[in-house]
Amino acid sequence: NAGVTQTPKFQVLKTGQSMTLQCAQDMNHNSMYWYRQDPGMGLRLIYYSASEGTTDKGEVPNGYNVSRLNKREFSLRLESAAPSQTSVYFCASRPGTGSYEQYFGPGTRLTVT
Amino acid sequence: LAKTTQPISMDSYEGQEVNITCSHNNIATNDYITWYQQFPSQGPRFIIQGYKTKVTNEVASLFIPADRKSSTLSLPRVSLSDTAVYYCLVGDRSNTGKLIFGQGTTLQVKP
Repeated sequence: NAGVTQTPKFQVLKTGQSMTLQCAQDMNHNSMYWYRQDPGMGLRLIYYSASEGTTDKGEVPNGYNVSRLNKREFSLRLESAAPSQTSVYFCASRPGTGSYEQYFGPGTRLTVT
Repeated sequence: LAKTTQPISMDSYEGQEVNITCSHNNIATNDYITWYQQFPSQGPRFIIQGYKTKVTNEVASLFIPADRKSSTLSLPRVSLSDTAVYYCLVGDRSNTGKLIFGQGTTLQVKP
């Protein structure tokens, strides 16, 4: 049982490049989330998927797209990276109704130059 | 989603009890209160969740007064390894959607 896994762990992009961050969970959770955390700051919600087949915007969705590929996988895409997107990206999952207990992945450190 | 307010930072010494209070004046009837802990370079980790009165687990206690407009996370006999950021979240457990983190409280435990 690996929990929540994220790939890659580190990435450096040039301005304007695109990339997809991958997230997978093996806990049969219904809800999945993408957050970003800038240095010294709290977490900000980018997008979330309450259940398979649905996605919704969070606090800071501009510049990102997401895909809930199936119940296990939730990917985050940067179409044209900007230096302001330099951050640590965390994926999380949650069983669904009845609990606020989220399980977080190890994060992806992204630097855009 | 109810807005939460926590102190930005707190200092303590090893072996002391630490209480971190979160204010949530606009909490709704169906809302639960949840606390997370985050170490540097790691994702947050769930600590405890409660609705009213007191909840205790092997890590912490959560005290919620009758009006539920605030809550206090209590960490007994802290050690250096409890140095972390602590987040308070409030929301409806039946809602499978948004979970918004506030700014958190940075706890520094000194020897």
